[in-house]
Amino acid sequence: DTAVSQTPKYLVTQMGNDKSIKCEQNLGHDTMYWYKQDSKKFLKIMFSYNNKELIINETVPNRFSPKSPDKAHLNLHINSLELGDSAVYFCASSVHRGRSPLHFGNGTRLTVT
Amino acid sequence: DQQVKQNSPSLSVQEGRISILNCDYTNSMFDYFLWYKKYPAEGPTFLISISSIKDKNEDGRFTVFLNKSAKHLSLHIVPSQPGDSAVYFCAASDINNNDMRFGAGTRLTVKP
Repeated sequence: DTAVSQTPKYLVTQMGNDKSIKCEQNLGHDTMYWYKQDSKKFLKIMFSYNNKELIINETVPNRFSPKSPDKAHLNLHINSLELGDSAVYFCASSVHRGRSPLHFGNGTRLTVT
Repeated sequence: DQQVKQNSPSLSVQEGRISILNCDYTNSMFDYFLWYKKYPAEGPTFLISISSIKDKNEDGRFTVFLNKSAKHLSLHIVPSQPGDSAVYFCAASDINNNDMRFGAGTRLTVKP
């Protein structure tokens, strides 16, 4: 039974489109995250969210927005997609923010053409 | 700015020998360090961690060493096995519970 699942696994779309990536965790964790792995393979934090607080990395364009319908879900919406948004996006969750290991989903490879 | 650095993009070792993966950090506020392992087409999985009050933590074949004065940590795998072939990420978080920062990863290949 997958702990952190994200869909779709692959997403190919054109510039200017709006798309969403879904993430669900069944671990009962309080905090969820979105990370971006760029072409240089760095894993960079985009957002962290628990039921009290959304922390946004200041480098993330406001075209990206997280939406959390409940504690087990953190979806990523991207508006007006650009070529530079092509990357692998990982959802993750943890018991405590910053102080416990992250459990990652298997990633969504986004390709913008 | 890369606060966590893994300067070796790849490492190749023979099965049965020791693998040593290195990581340096610049933020003196970091006090919790982790290693993750990643196979292709999967997300990173947690391997082992260490807090700054310790200088060593061991779990089976995996040992993490922390040198706070040098702002350096390393992961030792003994003995290395072909199934250990993966990308290893070093990560750190700080005492203010800010979000975890990752290095760029080191690809380990263990040859039979």
